[in-house]
Amino acid sequence: ILNVEQSPQSLHVQEGDSTNFTCSFPSSNFYALHWYRWETAKSPEALFVMTLNGDEKKKGRISATLNTKEGYSYLYIKGSQPEDSATYLCAMPAANSGYALNFGKGTSLLVTP
Amino acid sequence: DTEVTQTPKHLVMGMTNKKSLKCEQHMGHRAMYWYKQKAKKPPELMFVYSYEKLSINESVPSRFSPECPNSSLLNLHLHALQPEDSALYLCASTIALSGNTIYFGEGSWLTVV
Repeated sequence: ILNVEQSPQSLHVQEGDSTNFTCSFPSSNFYALHWYRWETAKSPEALFVMTLNGDEKKKGRISATLNTKEGYSYLYIKGSQPEDSATYLCAMPAANSGYALNFGKGTSLLVTP
Repeated sequence: DTEVTQTPKHLVMGMTNKKSLKCEQHMGHRAMYWYKQKAKKPPELMFVYSYEKLSINESVPSRFSPECPNSSLLNLHLHALQPEDSALYLCASTIALSGNTIYFGEGSWLTVV
């Protein structure tokens, strides 16, 4: 089982604030890192699949960076909006489990107006 | 269409009942997964199917019986469950076992009484 850690566990920001959270993972035998956004009563939504060291990906106000040598990824949200409130999960595929995802515990983000 | 459809959304069953959870995707994906998620914990892998064949069973008790009748459908048959099996059951699919983006359904909330 791959040990994927996320911090902080929860975050409460005001509308318009920018925020970021961290995903830490084993740097050896790195294959890929996935980020998901999971809103209550909806399906987890794939945000990014990151594979290359130094990679940076962007989707609207959300971006992510990857450092495979030191084993971390950051997710940034610029100008948070209430609709960004969700749990953000990072996950790593495990080759010995059919590339099924091992998830971190997630960061629960609440954005208030 | 990146949709994975799960039915039912909610299920309450007794410990002696037999019921099934269903999952469907029409994206041409050949790998499908069942995950179980308990409150405040990350989703945990149960089963992996690849090309309609069971590829991974993560030591799941036999009271959970998966079935993949064709490339679009994945079932989870439930029999003689325990109250501790109450959880959210998530289905997911991807193109093939290769670490590509995995798409999730909204899940089926199961309560065992």
